[in-house]
Amino acid sequence: GQQLNQSPQSMFIQEGEDVSMNCTSSSIFNTWLWYKQDPGEGPVLLIALYKAGELTSNGRLTAQFGITRKDSFLNISASIPSDVGIYFCAPGGGAAGNKLTFGGGTRVLVKP
Amino acid sequence: DAGITQSPRHKVTETGTPVTLRCHQTENHRYMYWYRQDPGHGLRLIHYSYGVKDTDKGEVSDGYSVSRSKTEDFLLTLESATSSQTSVYFCAISDPGPATNEKLFFGSGTQLSVL
Repeated sequence: GQQLNQSPQSMFIQEGEDVSMNCTSSSIFNTWLWYKQDPGEGPVLLIALYKAGELTSNGRLTAQFGITRKDSFLNISASIPSDVGIYFCAPGGGAAGNKLTFGGGTRVLVKP
Repeated sequence: DAGITQSPRHKVTETGTPVTLRCHQTENHRYMYWYRQDPGHGLRLIHYSYGVKDTDKGEVSDGYSVSRSKTEDFLLTLESATSSQTSVYFCAISDPGPATNEKLFFGSGTQLSVL
């Protein structure tokens, strides 16, 4: 089956910092989505990407659909405390149809 | 939560007992999904439904069954709960379409502990 790797697994942020995370897969996908999960809640869609090379922003969040269609990146600029949570990549389409596969998640924490 | 209610929100049960989790939606979305979330594994699809009485297996379906007799309700049943099924369970919904069927809306989850 396809392998989906999300990194880093966790990171500490300091207010004002820019942070990045990425997902890579062994398979080609037609869509890449990014979700965020706040503690005690279900994931919420942040950004959806539908075309290779596409760069899309949602406020301080920017995501890119890799040109090979096997990867995607999410950047958070000028991080704030409410950015804490778990971020998931979720590629779809292609052989997967509409069944999303989720990455293992990147847990974003605030530096003490 | 886009009109999605999961019940119960928390449950503790014993090994070998049957458990049913309910997902109720008021959005009239056609697709419904059950995922489980475990540390290090992200979200894994258990079962999904494309419509009333139309269900199929996901990647971790062993030990689980589902039923969908109405558009708004999707039930997940553990016939005989095991400790490995201790997890947080999420229901999700979406609508068919090239730009919508992958945009999932999630419920708030059910924390299930099997002792």
